Amino acid sequence: SYELTQPPSVSVSPGQTARITCSGDALPQKYAYWYQHKSGQAPVLVIYEDSKRPSGIPERFSGSSSGTMATLTISGAQVEDEADYYCYSTDSSGGVFGGGTKLTVL
Amino acid sequence: EVQLVESGGGLVQPGGSLKLSCAASGFTFSDSAMHWVRQASGKGLEWVGRTRNKANNYATAYAASVKGRFIISRDDSKNTAYLQMNSLKTEDTAVYYCTRVWQQPFDYWGQGTLVTVSS
Repeated sequence: SYELTQPPSVSVSPGQTARITCSGDALPQKYAYWYQHKSGQAPVLVIYEDSKRPSGIPERFSGSSSGTMATLTISGAQVEDEADYYCYSTDSSGGVFGGGTKLTVL
Repeated sequence: EVQLVESGGGLVQPGGSLKLSCAASGFTFSDSAMHWVRQASGKGLEWVGRTRNKANNYATAYAASVKGRFIISRDDSKNTAYLQMNSLKTEDTAVYYCTRVWQQPFDYWGQGTLVTVSS
């Protein structure tokens, strides 16, 4: 079955740039989507179609994709950005999430 | 305002069945695909399955881990999606979310409902 691979954790200091990667064989043909998930809350879409930002999402969130890797970048990470981040994409049989990356900002 | 409200979670024994509902409001439900996503305690998000809209023949798809045991359906007249879970296993214990695909995947989510499979 199709898999998306993320690093388990990323840690940055406030104001630094955080980069979270997501690798998958089908990403050259399929879009990546990114979700922020804080404990006890519903996930929030922060990037769609590799690099587009929904309304209401701060400009410090950006996305890119090249080859088999998609990247979520948080420029000038804030303490409130501390959360789990998941990439999502599709394959012929449905959808798949990456394993998630815990972002620590301290 | 878009709202998705899950219900039907609870405690069930291994091998048992449970049916979750997802009541939608604030958007044209019949035009949207509806998905179910789950999260076991301490684990990541897992895509469970989806039903497409009428224009796409209400096509369903499932994760390999639930295929043959779970059935997703919808009633557009009631603006409700369903997840019928059969032959439940302890590893199905999770919070189950419904979420929609309209212009983008999963722009709105429900608050989740907890399913516990235990004897």
